[in-house]
Amino acid sequence: NAGVMQNPRHLVRRRGQEARLRCSPMKGHSHVYWYRQLPEEGLKFMVYLQKENIIDESGMPKERFSAEFPKEGPSILRIQQVVRGDSAAYFCASSSTRTEAFFGQGTRLTVV
Amino acid sequence: RKEVEQDPGPFNVPEGATVAFNCTYSNSASQSFFWYRQDCRKEPKLLMSVYSSGNEDGRFTAQLNRASQYISLLIRDSKLSDSATYLCVVNKETGNQFYFGTGTSLTVIP
Repeated sequence: NAGVMQNPRHLVRRRGQEARLRCSPMKGHSHVYWYRQLPEEGLKFMVYLQKENIIDESGMPKERFSAEFPKEGPSILRIQQVVRGDSAAYFCASSSTRTEAFFGQGTRLTVV
Repeated sequence: RKEVEQDPGPFNVPEGATVAFNCTYSNSASQSFFWYRQDCRKEPKLLMSVYSSGNEDGRFTAQLNRASQYISLLIRDSKLSDSATYLCVVNKETGNQFYFGTGTSLTVIP
């Protein structure tokens, strides 16, 4: 069991470009969560998905951010037209129903 | 009101000390409770689940008080390697959503 896999580990984008962050949950897990962490700050919930469905996106900015978890393949967090304020660590976690969540190593996005 | 609230600290304690963290949660329907540990620039990792009867794992003891809606973590005989941020996590039965506290920073000093 490979655990939660996120890629890339580090991503550099120029302002205005798009960033795509991928997360493959642990085998057997159907729940995926995305969190953002700014330097020296706590985890901020962004979105919770189950296969093909967004369950809770209350933490997602209204514009430029979107997430999906297709039937086949990894979950994708997409940030369009990135700005400097998007620079952060983005963590993905997965779980099965009502068990603990396991985290990936995160993607560190830097917008230059 | 936040779903989960923690004292951010920082807690600076000498090696060998006993330190306790508390965390309160707002939703009485919460069903599952956890403590996670996060080292600097790393992902959070599960430290221990918290059960109604309380549970112990070596130097770590977790307690749950449903009536007062708080969770505690006690670390005995602190080691330098215990220095990290400790996150309180609560999961509601409906929706399987995890709510994280902002974390409590611990530094163990030689």
